[in-house]
Amino acid sequence: DGGITQSPKYLFRKEGQNVTLSCEQNLNHDAMYWYRQDPGQGLRLIYYSQIVNDFQKGDIAEGYSVSREKKESFPLTVTSAQKNPTAFYLCASSIVKGSNQPQHFGDGTRLSIL
Amino acid sequence: QKEVEQNSGPLSVPEGAIASLNCTYSDRGSQSFFWYRQYSGKSPELIMSIYSNGDKEDGRFTAQLNKASQYVSLLIRDSQPSDSATYLCAVYRNAGGTSYGKLTFGQGTILTVHP
Repeated sequence: DGGITQSPKYLFRKEGQNVTLSCEQNLNHDAMYWYRQDPGQGLRLIYYSQIVNDFQKGDIAEGYSVSREKKESFPLTVTSAQKNPTAFYLCASSIVKGSNQPQHFGDGTRLSIL
Repeated sequence: QKEVEQNSGPLSVPEGAIASLNCTYSDRGSQSFFWYRQYSGKSPELIMSIYSNGDKEDGRFTAQLNKASQYVSLLIRDSQPSDSATYLCAVYRNAGGTSYGKLTFGQGTILTVHP
């Protein structure tokens, strides 16, 4: 079945540690996105990518990094510079051409600090 | 003013009633509008998309868009306990051509349908 797979489902980060969240899609979508969701809040855009080897900062990119080496994959690294990483991280994808294409989400990764 | 605002919840309705969820947006250039449902601890699931003024119906769900008044709403008829979730409104503004515009989410409205 086509979809977006995020792993792991739960992740714990130690002080000073970088952690990487995986996102893979087999929908043949061009665009991929990373969002952060804090309790009781909407989604905030961290990074997005429209094509391979290209990505742009979203509203809250500080302390995060991404890569887009393959169309199917868009991993997110939460660096030690992100001082408040505890949140629900959501990866999404969409067909990039045309503004009327909705984004579809993976199941998310819950990140906590040890 | 927030870019996308949803009516503050939580909203509680009895089973079988109509639930009405509202969303206003500040950018008049917004072109695409989406409603997502998010169950507790889960990821958002797209339930409705609407692009032009008027009503769009899909089963028990009706999305209503009024661009002049800059609001979009979601009506859920014959509400069921399984509809209890957070509903997120998302508004997209195209940047033109194939450039990515901006999709902005509201903070969500919690809906509880009680038996």
